[in-house]
Amino acid sequence: QKEVEQNSGPLSVPEGAIASLNCTYSDRGSQSFFWYRQYSGKSPELIMSIYSNGDKEDGRFTAQLNKASQYVSLLIRDSQPSDSATYLCAVLRTGGYQKVTFGIGTKLQVIP
Amino acid sequence: KAGVTQTPRYLIKTRGQQVTLSCSPISGHRSVSWYQQTPGQGLQFLFEYFSETQRNKGNFPGRFSGRQFSNSRSEMNVSTLELGDSALYLCASSLKTGAGNTEAFFGQGTRLTVV
Repeated sequence: QKEVEQNSGPLSVPEGAIASLNCTYSDRGSQSFFWYRQYSGKSPELIMSIYSNGDKEDGRFTAQLNKASQYVSLLIRDSQPSDSATYLCAVLRTGGYQKVTFGIGTKLQVIP
Repeated sequence: KAGVTQTPRYLIKTRGQQVTLSCSPISGHRSVSWYQQTPGQGLQFLFEYFSETQRNKGNFPGRFSGRQFSNSRSEMNVSTLELGDSALYLCASSLKTGAGNTEAFFGQGTRLTVV
């Protein structure tokens, strides 16, 4: 079992729709969760961080965390073609040292 | 505020050679992590440095090494290069908070091609 699992996609959604990206993790000691966006040929860019159960909203983005189910998701409302990218889920465990583990990433395609 | 700076951006090396990559973190950030990204494996953690000490290491052979200087700049070295080392190498810097919740910011990466 991979430590952080994501469906590699591609996930195709029409412009204006809600894109839902999902991520599960195996380490119950994980404390911090991040979503990165990576355009082709570019480096990952941090778009959301979430540390406690529930929802966190930032503009068109909403991150959801459920530690009991070991599940974190990212919703993108009113999807735009410029949102087309690979979205990486990252999980951080601390405790003497930091270990960040990334999922393989989900490729999102927003169709105009 | 300047971001994370990685040099060089592109590099072509021959099998058997060695290479050194450099990373300058965001000012004030003391934690620097290195990752290897390949299409099939995604982002793989190499190692993390904090205050010149390696705190954590991923599952890579000893050919991969690194160090951090007193100004938090970090270098990564790969010796005896193999074709499979061709990848995008990313450096990320973090400002570790007291709570341990740390956001990592990535540099633009170094694209290494081994021929």
